[in-house]
Amino acid sequence: DAGVIQSPRHEVTEMGQEVTLRCKPISGHDYLFWYRQTMMRGLELLIYFNNNVPIDDSGMPEDRFSAKMPNASFSTLKIQPSEPRDSAVYFCASSLSGYGYTFGSGTRLTVV
Amino acid sequence: GEDVEQSLFLSVREGDSSVINCTYTDSSSTYLYWYKQEPGAGLQLLTYIFSNMDMKQDQRLTVLLNKKDKHLSLRIADTQTGDSAIYFCAESKESGYSTLTFGKGTMLLVSP
Repeated sequence: DAGVIQSPRHEVTEMGQEVTLRCKPISGHDYLFWYRQTMMRGLELLIYFNNNVPIDDSGMPEDRFSAKMPNASFSTLKIQPSEPRDSAVYFCASSLSGYGYTFGSGTRLTVV
Repeated sequence: GEDVEQSLFLSVREGDSSVINCTYTDSSSTYLYWYKQEPGAGLQLLTYIFSNMDMKQDQRLTVLLNKKDKHLSLRIADTQTGDSAIYFCAESKESGYSTLTFGKGTMLLVSP
C-alpha cells in the first residue's frame, strides 16, 4: 500500500483565495482525520470521519473551513477565504478502527 | 494545563542513550503511543503500550510506563544521527475507539 497520500505537498496562495487540500486514505481504513500543525499550537485535530461520515468537527477553527469525504478513498479540506494565520502544515491520517494512525506527508500551506 | 506534556528539546551524542519523557493527565488513558516526525514528513508510529503494561521493548526502543505518576518514557539505545527528529507522545482516552491527544513534541538532536 502506498500509505496515506496528500496533495499538494506545498501550496502558496494569496489571502482571500480558496484552498483545497486533498487526501487519499489507506484502503480499508474506516477512520480519517485532518490535523493542523503549527509551532505555537502543535498538532490540532480539526475534524474526523468514520465510514465517510463526519463525527466531530469541533476543532474546525471557523466557518471558513470545511471538509468532505464523498467516498471511502477521498477527502478534501477547504479553506475559503484563506488568511495568513491559516499558514501551517495540514496532515491527513487514517486508521482501522481507531488504533494507530497512519499519517500522510502533509501539505505545507503558506498564505501571503 | 496541557493534557500531554513533553520537554521541548534533547541533545545527545551518537552512541549514547536518549530518554524522552512525557506526562499525561487522564488516568483513563488506555493506549499510549510514541510517534517520530522527520523533517518535512508526517508522523510515523514507533511503538505503543497498553495501560496495563509497565514496559515494552522493541529492538533499540524501550517504553516505560508509570501509571501511578502518569509518566511515560521512551529510551533509545545506541542513538544514531538518523534518530534526530521530533518525537511525539500521544494518548487515547477510552477503551475501544477514541481520538489521540498529542503532546507538542520533543526535538531530539544527535551529534556525531
